[in-house]
Amino acid sequence: DIQMTQSPSSVSASVGDRVTLTCRASQDISRWLAWYQQNPGKAPKLLIYAASSLQSGVPSRFSGSGSGTDFTLTISSLQPEDFATYYCQQANSFPRTFGQGTKVEIK
Amino acid sequence: QVQLVQSGAEVKKPGASVKVSCKASGYSFTDYYLDWVRQAPGQGLEWMGRINPDNGGTNYAQKFQGRVTMTRDTSISTVYMDLSRLRSDDTAVYYCALGESWFDPWGQGTLVTVSS
Repeated sequence: DIQMTQSPSSVSASVGDRVTLTCRASQDISRWLAWYQQNPGKAPKLLIYAASSLQSGVPSRFSGSGSGTDFTLTISSLQPEDFATYYCQQANSFPRTFGQGTKVEIK
Repeated sequence: QVQLVQSGAEVKKPGASVKVSCKASGYSFTDYYLDWVRQAPGQGLEWMGRINPDNGGTNYAQKFQGRVTMTRDTSISTVYMDLSRLRSDDTAVYYCALGESWFDPWGQGTLVTVSS
């Protein structure tokens, strides 16, 4: 199975900050990577697919980059509704696997 | 719009089985895989498997092989996830999700509690 490792596990930031989250795959997954946002008690929401494609309706302050084994999700200017947990997911092979999540908290 | 609506919360005893449904609407039901992902309390996301609604073909995570069965009823655009021999560590929110590679949208989730 491909292991997905996210860092940091949590980050404290303020509204307006630029935040960068990292996801590393245990083997080359090309650009087969997605990012999700999850608020407490809610289902995950797709933000980014194919490493850098913005899902329809997602604000442009979210961006993704990377290929191979190293990927990043950047929030250019953190908004109050962005405080949530973010997960990466590989779609290169089965079983699909997720990172353990990064919680973005209010500083 | 595309929507996945899941059945309600369940409470089961250890050793029992649970069957969760996921009704799809807003698209051609047989065109896309439906996957199941679960999330234990306070934990991350775990992929369980997927079903091809067109032909009923399935692909299960090794961890759940022998305990999970995914089926579909095309007449009512609904997929089912049946998990047997429940244990306390199966307590989780179970989600269905639409997609080939990535998942969008997701159902609202179904809480399954396993407790004696």
